[in-house]
Amino acid sequence: AQSVTQPDIHITVSEGASLELRCNYSYGATPYLFWYVQSPGQGLQLLLKYFSGDTLVQGIKGFEAEFKRSQSSFNLRKPSVHWSDAAEYFCAVGADGGSQGNLIFGKGTKLSVKP
Amino acid sequence: NAGVTQTPKFRVLKTGQSMTLLCAQDMNHEYMYWYRQDPGMGLRLIHYSVGEGTTAKGEVPDGYNVSRLKKQNFLLGLESAAPSQTSVYFCASSSGAPEAFFGQGTRLTVV
Repeated sequence: AQSVTQPDIHITVSEGASLELRCNYSYGATPYLFWYVQSPGQGLQLLLKYFSGDTLVQGIKGFEAEFKRSQSSFNLRKPSVHWSDAAEYFCAVGADGGSQGNLIFGKGTKLSVKP
Repeated sequence: NAGVTQTPKFRVLKTGQSMTLLCAQDMNHEYMYWYRQDPGMGLRLIHYSVGEGTTAKGEVPDGYNVSRLKKQNFLLGLESAAPSQTSVYFCASSSGAPEAFFGQGTRLTVV
């Protein structure tokens, strides 16, 4: 069965420090992968997505993610965190190859930013 | 650009009451979904629809019913609400490409 694992429930980083949020997926073929961000009390905003091609994808707000097939990973990175990045981040994989758009989500990583 | 709109945004129900959550999308998408979000659980798929007049069960369908009478609307019903259904509910839609657009959520509390 497909699954997504986000090993870190909560991460705290200092403002200006670099960030890496981990995501591992389980899927036999090349997956469709996504990172969403959710600010408190808000809906989900798509940060970036990977369908095929270049394994390093750029997203909004200065985020990037790298697809590594050998590690079944799709880690999210940002070189310098801003206080406004404090939110919860969800990694997701397209279910059943993504043909119907429904997603399987990880349990999320909450990011706190220290001044 | 409305996108995906959920009604209502907040609701408090008493155990045993019924209610319907409405999701409307203006993107002419074929696919629509209802998820629930619980702390530490991420989002889990309740039901989904691959087109007008169709519905299918997701991961956690028990206690919910859905209907897709019009392409732009996807209704989620709770016939007899239980405290375990206290959650934040998200609707999403998709054109069939592996990307979904989400509404702002409905926060439901069952007391």
